Amino acid sequence: SQQGEEDPQALSIQEGENATMNCSYKTSINNLQWYRQNSGRGLVHLILIRSNEREKHSGRLRVTLDTSKKSSSLLITASRAADTASYFCATDAASNFGNEKLTFGTGTRLTIIP
Amino acid sequence: KAGVTQTPRYLIKTRGQQVTLSCSPISGHRSVSWYQQTPGQGLQFLFEYFSETQRNKGNFPGRFSGRQFSNSRSEMNVSTLELGDSALYLCASSLGAGTGIYEQYFGPGTRLTVT
Repeated sequence: SQQGEEDPQALSIQEGENATMNCSYKTSINNLQWYRQNSGRGLVHLILIRSNEREKHSGRLRVTLDTSKKSSSLLITASRAADTASYFCATDAASNFGNEKLTFGTGTRLTIIP
Repeated sequence: KAGVTQTPRYLIKTRGQQVTLSCSPISGHRSVSWYQQTPGQGLQFLFEYFSETQRNKGNFPGRFSGRQFSNSRSEMNVSTLELGDSALYLCASSLGAGTGIYEQYFGPGTRLTVT
């Protein structure tokens, strides 16, 4: 079953604009990861944020985590055509201690319009 | 460093047959995990192997099995294929055990079509 749900399901923006995607999850987590997937291919890891962290940056990416609201957001600044892809959040539930595994959300399909 | 490789990339099988997919992890990575991706169910965890031992398993029937060799290469097998097994099967490797803890490096996937 899906632990996380991304919102929106699909997003289209003009190149150069910022894109924000949200992820909500159901149970307490140890950490949360964001991945990108280009059409029908393997996933690429973007950022891992731990439950005791509130914000992380990597290049044009900014991830926030609000454990009280059980939600995370991924911000891509100054979008480029190459950012067109599906973005997934994946959580490691705190109840998985010793048996850690990733549960993926439903994904946001991001389209950058040149 | 070479990335995660999966073979074959595409496969067409008939219902009732069995199939074996192969995954070679990044050199030095000891954990290999498998995922099934379908439009309806999304990305679902199949199992994780670490040091030749199955460490964790998702909610899939016993028709889905796997193993890991001493060189960390892994295979997964699906027996008695059903139409619903048509999917993209993704393999990922990481340095340590626990897919939730470590960054996962994914292969390009094997696209399985069952007719």
